[in-house]
Amino acid sequence: NAGVTQTPKFQVLKTGQSMTLQCAQDMNHEYMSWYRQDPGMGLRLIHYSVGAGITDQGEVPNGYNVSRSTTEDFPLRLLSAAPSQTSVYFCASSSAEGQPQHFGDGTRLSIL
Amino acid sequence: AQSVSQHNHHVILSEAASLELGCNYSYGGTVNLFWYVQYPGQHLQLLLKYFSGDPLVKGIKGFEAEFIKSKFSFNLRKPSVQWSDTAEYFCAVNPSTYNNNDMRFGAGTRLTVKP
Repeated sequence: NAGVTQTPKFQVLKTGQSMTLQCAQDMNHEYMSWYRQDPGMGLRLIHYSVGAGITDQGEVPNGYNVSRSTTEDFPLRLLSAAPSQTSVYFCASSSAEGQPQHFGDGTRLSIL
Repeated sequence: AQSVSQHNHHVILSEAASLELGCNYSYGGTVNLFWYVQYPGQHLQLLLKYFSGDPLVKGIKGFEAEFIKSKFSFNLRKPSVQWSDTAEYFCAVNPSTYNNNDMRFGAGTRLTVKP
């Protein structure tokens, strides 16, 4: 079972560049989320989706956009990368509200 | 501000020692509670969860946690740790009175078990 797949695993960007972090799940989960993990701060929710066509902001949404055109995919876009966005990004999915989340392997993003 | 607090940032134990990691939250009302573990270089995995019922929850790999509503706590315990338990442990709360997909994580506790 693939579970939650994130690509790429590593990426280095220059300030001002844009990119999309991909996330796909094959478990038919309705709920998907993006988190960033920073040292000493745990995971912070960026954006989440409760189903195709429905997204909402989490705790730290600024500088990020998301869309959910299909149940399987939930890409995260950085329109103009900033050094403060250097982090490890995790995508997660769950079958229902408040249920345990399945996490992807993460994307380590460095912005120079 | 509403929060999830893990008071221990780094815990170092010898093998066979007992473990207790603290987790307190400040959300009122009904909450769902979780402990996740992140082994070095891996993604987060669920250790155990509490939704309702018996406040003493058993998880995988010999871990358990106790929900004490009056203390807003959900501490993680293991009677005898192993070297393979070296990892980072995250407490998470889904405050169901908020957006139901809004999972709030603590800052994590790094556990190092010396062989």
